[in-house]
Amino acid sequence: AQSVTQLDSQVPVFEEAPVELRCNYSSSVSVYLFWYVQYPNQGLQLLLKYLSGSTLVKGINGFEAEFNKSQTSFHLRKPSVHISDTAEYFCAVSDPGSQGNLIFGKGTKLSVKP
Amino acid sequence: NAGVTQTPKFQVLKTGQSMTLQCAQDMNHEYMSWYRQDPGMGLRLIHYSVGAGITDQGEVPNGYNVSRSTTEDFPLRLLSAAPSQTSVYFCASRLRIREQYFGPGTRLTVT
Repeated sequence: AQSVTQLDSQVPVFEEAPVELRCNYSSSVSVYLFWYVQYPNQGLQLLLKYLSGSTLVKGINGFEAEFNKSQTSFHLRKPSVHISDTAEYFCAVSDPGSQGNLIFGKGTKLSVKP
Repeated sequence: NAGVTQTPKFQVLKTGQSMTLQCAQDMNHEYMSWYRQDPGMGLRLIHYSVGAGITDQGEVPNGYNVSRSTTEDFPLRLLSAAPSQTSVYFCASRLRIREQYFGPGTRLTVT
């Protein structure tokens, strides 16, 4: 069965600093990968997705992620964060062999300090 | 489009009570799912449906029932609430192997 590991449960950074949130998944077969963001007391919003094609994926709010098949990773990056990026971020994988259901990591809380 | 809607937003139950969490989508999506979110656990799949009349279990199905009589609606039933079911519940929908669209969630407390 697929699994997703988010290596950091909390990431504190200062405003305007770069950030990387790490995500590794277990399967070496073809998968689809997603990053979602959850602001406090809200639902989940799609940040970006990798389905096929270019391994560098750009999303909303200046975020991007790179799919690395050999390392089974899909790390999320932003070159300069804002206070408004404070939220919880979830990495998810969809296994076509399991009806495409999403398997989520446990989340990374990004805290941006002034 | 309203997207995915859920009712109620908040609910408090006593142990042993039953209730139904409502979920509806207006995007004509085939697939719908229910997840629960607990601190430090991410989102875990409870039940899902690949179309009207077809449902299946996810990772944590015990204590929950679902049915799918129409494309639009996918209610989640708690048969006999337990404190372990205190959680935030999210409904989601999608088109086959594509991104999921989430509802705003229902925060459930069982005392």
